[in-house]
Amino acid sequence: GAGVSQSPRYKVAKRGQDVALRCDPISGHVSLFWYQQALGQGPEFLTYFQNEAQLDKSGLPSDRFFAERPEGSVSTLKIQRTQQEDSAVYLCASSPTGGPEAFFGQGTRLTVV
Amino acid sequence: QKEVEQNSGPLSVPEGAIASLNCTYSDRGSQSFFWYRQYSGKSPELIMSIYSNGDKEDGRFTAQLNKASQYVSLLIRDSQPSDSATYLCAVTHGRGDKIIFGKGTRLHILP
Repeated sequence: GAGVSQSPRYKVAKRGQDVALRCDPISGHVSLFWYQQALGQGPEFLTYFQNEAQLDKSGLPSDRFFAERPEGSVSTLKIQRTQQEDSAVYLCASSPTGGPEAFFGQGTRLTVV
Repeated sequence: QKEVEQNSGPLSVPEGAIASLNCTYSDRGSQSFFWYRQYSGKSPELIMSIYSNGDKEDGRFTAQLNKASQYVSLLIRDSQPSDSATYLCAVTHGRGDKIIFGKGTRLHILP
């Protein structure tokens, strides 16, 4: 596709429910990043992949958060037993050939009620 | 200390004037520096990247980098109302590709 695609665009989850957020990066992009953005804040780093390797997951806030990119393309961010503090926009970005310029998808707005 | 610091604003600038946005970072090993623009309710959009000391110009935008002072700035000349947005400074962490963002500066161009 022409850009980074994220789905769903909006997700409402009941507290305690598990959710899965999908990111389809720009074709051929090597690096893929996940960020969490709360209202009025900058994007907070969660994790990043180079191809299928998860090189850094230091930003994942708890062990309820898990990300994977098994074939080096599409990535899924999974949040187990969602809590209200997980409500945020989850942004995915990808960059080419391991280079640093990252391009963002439209984000998934998660609301936990 | 936050790794990337920006004044949250809002910064109000008259239309046609120069808007100056500033950012400091803590990691001396950072190699790449970026400015993203984010409109309300939208995702960040890359507008400038800079990798070496000095100035880099692209249209009405100029990015400035001073690694010794750990300082990055963005100048917007001939500011337009459409420039009203939040501007995010971002830097790579160490020598890798991990990108860390500041909280952003809200810019408001006054017509």
